[in-house]
Amino acid sequence: SSELTQDPAVSVALGQTVRITCQGDSLRTFYASWYQQKPGQAPIFLIYGKNNRPSGIPDRFSGSSSGNTASLTITGAQAEDEADYYCNSRDISGTQLKGFFGGGTKLTVL
Amino acid sequence: QVQLVESGGGVAQPGRSLRLSCAASGFTFSSYGMHWVRQAPGKGLEWVAVIWYDGSNKYYGDSVKGRFTISRDNSKNTLHLQLNSLRAEDTAVYYCARDSSTVVGANFYFDYWGQGTLVTVSS
Repeated sequence: SSELTQDPAVSVALGQTVRITCQGDSLRTFYASWYQQKPGQAPIFLIYGKNNRPSGIPDRFSGSSSGNTASLTITGAQAEDEADYYCNSRDISGTQLKGFFGGGTKLTVL
Repeated sequence: QVQLVESGGGVAQPGRSLRLSCAASGFTFSSYGMHWVRQAPGKGLEWVAVIWYDGSNKYYGDSVKGRFTISRDNSKNTLHLQLNSLRAEDTAVYYCARDSSTVVGANFYFDYWGQGTLVTVSS
C-alpha cells in the first residue's frame, strides 16, 4: 500500500522531547526519510536511512524504525523547531516504482 | 554549493499545457537522479515524478501519469516537467529535488530542493 500515516498535529514544551511517527506498509521494506518545512520555505532534508543526519542538521534530531513505523525524535525541542514534518518512502509494484509522503505533522513548541 | 532554480510556472487554463524547468548548479548533474514534488496551497507534499541520472528510467505518481512528462538535458544541467491536460487540482508549488543516490537509480531521499515555482490552473 502506498500510504503513510502521520498525526496531523503534535505539541511539545520547550526543551522537552517529542516523537513524531509515520506508519505504512512500505516501511517494512524501505527506510523512511524525514523533512522539515517552515511556512513559505522549501523542505529541508533531516533524516534518512536507519538514522542518518545530513551535515548541518543538529544532533537533537534522530530517527528510528520498527516494523511498519518510522519515528522522528527531537530531544530538547527548540522554538525554531516549530514547523511541519513529513516522512517519505517508496514502493515497488511490479515494474512501477513510486514515492509518496505522509500527510505531515504540524509541531507546536509551547 | 548546490543550487536548484525552478522556472516556468504561471497561470494556465484547464486543458492547457505548461513546461517547467529546473536549472542545476554546484554538482555533477549527470550523476544524480532528479525528482519533481508538488504542494497544493495549504496542503502536504506530493511526489510527482523521478528520472534516473542518465534519463533511462522515469516513474510517475498516479495522479499525473499519462499527462506529465519528466525529462532532462545533462548537457545543459537542466530538468524539465511537461504538464499537459492541466486540471484545477494541479494547482501547486512545484519543487525540483535532487535524489541523494548517485548513478545507481534513486533512493527517494531528497537531499536538495529548489524554492519552487507556482502553477495555477484556472479559467
